Order: sequence, then C-alpha cells, then structure tokens
Amino acid sequence: RKEVEQDPGPFNVPEGATVAFNCTYSNSASQSFFWYRQDCRKEPKLLMSVYSSGNEDGRFTAQLNRASQYISLLIRDSKLSDSATYLCVVNLNTGGFKTIFGAGTRLFVKA
Amino acid sequence: GAGVSQSPSNKVTEKGKDVELRCDPISGHTALYWYRQSLGQGLEFLIYFQGNSAPDKSGLPSDRFSAERTGGSVSTLTIQRTQQEDSAVYLCASSSATGGLRTQYFGPGTRLLVL
Repeated sequence: RKEVEQDPGPFNVPEGATVAFNCTYSNSASQSFFWYRQDCRKEPKLLMSVYSSGNEDGRFTAQLNRASQYISLLIRDSKLSDSATYLCVVNLNTGGFKTIFGAGTRLFVKA
Repeated sequence: GAGVSQSPSNKVTEKGKDVELRCDPISGHTALYWYRQSLGQGLEFLIYFQGNSAPDKSGLPSDRFSAERTGGSVSTLTIQRTQQEDSAVYLCASSSATGGLRTQYFGPGTRLLVL
C-alpha cells in the first residue's frame, strides 16, 4: 500500500462545476499536510496547507480527518485555469523527518 | 524575495558522461531536498539535507548519484556515467526547519536528457 494515495483521475469537469479530491495516508505519525498544484512541465507550487479545523482560501477548501486519515480538497466554481495536477503531500516525523508526495490527481476544466 | 533557483535549466548529455546540477535554496532555509520526476510520473525523493546533520540519502537510486551541500546553502547533485533512464526533470526544494509546517518551495527544475 502506498503511504499517500490519490485517485489519478483525470477529472473532466465543465467551467463552474464543483469538484472534490480525496487523499488517504497510511502513517498515523503524519504531522502536517498540504495540497500542491503542478501545471504541465512546471514545478509543484503550494496551493494551501491543511489544518485540522479545515481552511478555506477563496474557491478552495481543504479538510483533514485525522481519525480516518484522509485529506480533501474542494474547488468551487471551477475555472479553466484550475486545470492542473493536484498533489497531496504529507510530512512525517518518525524519529526522522520525511515528506511523502502523492502521485497526483489530474483535473481538466472545459469551457 | 528570491525563490529557489536551479541551473542549468536544460541539459543534454551523452550516455556515460557525468553531469552536475546546481540548486540555490531560499536564503535562510536550512532544509534542502532533491527529487526526480519522469514524464507523466510523480515525484521521486532522492536526498534530503538538514543543517549540519548527515543527509538522508535513502532515495538515491544507485551509487552513480551523489549530492553535496556546501556551507549549508548551495547544493550540487552529481550523476556519474549517465544512463538513458536518468533522463528526467530534477527538482530541488527548500524549507525552513524550525517549527511550523516546513512547507517546501520548489525551483523550476533541470530537464536532463541523456542520449
């Protein structure tokens, strides 16, 4: 089992749609959580950190469920420019620090 | 402020040659990471430097790969006797390491093509 698992997609949605991605992690020692966005042939860029209480940044909402060990990202009112790969990222501290990247979920937003 | 920079942005080399890839982290960041990403694939962890501690080399795929970090800042990833399967984008990231979330910030990458 992978330490961080994501549905690879692709998700194909029309503009204006709401889309949700989930990510599960296997290590209960996971400490901090992030969503990154990666555009084609570009480096990953931080989209948002994920807090236990849930957090929102404009059209984007992230949630963390520690009991079930999953993280979600909700995108409302999708824009064409939201088309990208979304990476779920987990930091672990199990005696040594480690970062695990999910393989990513591809999103295509179409006009 | 300045982000993570990497050089060269592109490198084409012949099989069997050695290559050096450079990473300049964000000023003040004590943690530095190297990753590899093949076309259409996820990020593959290579090596992690934290301050003066011994680096975590657990991701290096073979002994042809090595990395240094001099003066706690600039890092060089060296690939000796390159093979065609080494062709990928090599990404460097840095983060602060004192408390907080240790968010990683990536450089633009070096695209390596081994012919």
